[in-house]
Amino acid sequence: EAGVTQSPTHLIKTRGQQATLRCSPISGHTSVYWYQQALGLGLQFLLWYDEGEERNRGNFPPRFSGRQFPNYSSELNVNALELEDSALYLCASSFRFAGNQPQHFGDGTRLSIL
Amino acid sequence: AQTVTQSQPEMSVQEAETVTLSCTYDTSESDYYLFWYKQPPSRQMILVIRQEAYKQQNATENRFSVNFQKAAKSFSLKISDSQLGDAAMYFCAYRSAGNTPLVFGKGTRLSVIA
Repeated sequence: EAGVTQSPTHLIKTRGQQATLRCSPISGHTSVYWYQQALGLGLQFLLWYDEGEERNRGNFPPRFSGRQFPNYSSELNVNALELEDSALYLCASSFRFAGNQPQHFGDGTRLSIL
Repeated sequence: AQTVTQSQPEMSVQEAETVTLSCTYDTSESDYYLFWYKQPPSRQMILVIRQEAYKQQNATENRFSVNFQKAAKSFSLKISDSQLGDAAMYFCAYRSAGNTPLVFGKGTRLSVIA
């Protein structure tokens, strides 16, 4: 079974630009979560999509947005990039009614802002 | 809101020895799930072990076991017979019942000394 896949592996941008990160969940999973892992801050919840809709968002500004497609893959868009957005962005997926099933993570996209 | 605290930023253990990583959490909920994830330098988050709050029995997965103290809101991870491959960042995570985002601690970096 293929795991969660994320692309690109590494993305380099400059301040003010826009970045798009992509995630494909495990087959059968309908929920996709995005987390930001900035140095020294641990993992912070960004966004949760399920069945094509945004279900919840963390404490991040509106320039962080995304969407989920009919095939359950997802995009994370970050507009007006700032230096502090430099981080590892992790995507995770799970079944909609997860119970005790864990979220499965991808390898992440390293976003570097110059 | 739930919080997860890992009070040990770094730990080290001799190969073949046993080490315990601490985790405490704060919640008013009675039904929830707890997880330990491992993040090696390859950066993929790997599930180590999970525990359902309604189960009194501590979870065990091979060399990994937990000490779940619900009343004390404590969820420590014990690694027995430590191996070089156990070196990684370890994150404790909380999830409410239902399909909700994970709340992570800031992590403990474990070094294994040969």
